[in-house]
Amino acid sequence: DADVTQTPRNRITKTGKRIMLECSQTKGHDRMYWYRQDPGLGLRLIYYSFDVKDINKGEISDGYSVSRQAQAKFSLSLESAIPNQTALYFCATQRQGNEQFFGPGTRLTVL
Amino acid sequence: QKEVEQDPGPLSVPEGAIVSLNCTYSNSAFQYFMWYRQYSRKGPELLMYTYSSGNKEDGRFTAQVDKSSKYISLFIRDSQPSDSATYLCAMLMNYGGSQGNLIFGKGTKLSVKP
Repeated sequence: DADVTQTPRNRITKTGKRIMLECSQTKGHDRMYWYRQDPGLGLRLIYYSFDVKDINKGEISDGYSVSRQAQAKFSLSLESAIPNQTALYFCATQRQGNEQFFGPGTRLTVL
Repeated sequence: QKEVEQDPGPLSVPEGAIVSLNCTYSNSAFQYFMWYRQYSRKGPELLMYTYSSGNKEDGRFTAQVDKSSKYISLFIRDSQPSDSATYLCAMLMNYGGSQGNLIFGKGTKLSVKP
């Protein structure tokens, strides 16, 4: 079983819709991250969390919100999706002092 | 100036070639340097991890860090078609708070032709 899972893997939605991307991990790591990846722009950090009560904005948080429901779960929401939020979204986990582990990604298309 | 610069390529080489991938950075506080490999439609996975300056070798892969020049490299010897992927460099300062967040390069897309 994968250590970091993301659901859904693919999603097509319309402008203005609310959408939630979910991330779960079985690695027991405290730190969790949400990134988006766009061609030519690389990985950009949206939000990160160091524990259940800790939420921090990343480089590009506008238009996004997150919820850390438990140590193992970190959700990303788009309250009103817009076409320029079309991208590949990755969740990652990290134990302090070590590498980040990435999920398989969610391909989101906003029409 | 971005903190981490990486040529996006694409880079195309014949099988068996030696590949050199590079990143430059501007923040002298970076101490930990990583290379991630990302296959198409997959998440990045850690390939090499080095601390401070010097070389680290793992099979056909060698990671090199030159802190005086703020330059890191990944060498792939005897490249194989299975090495075709995007390679991202990443670095961080230390593991305290937000300084433990990775800063990524944009990635270099490598294609190894049979």
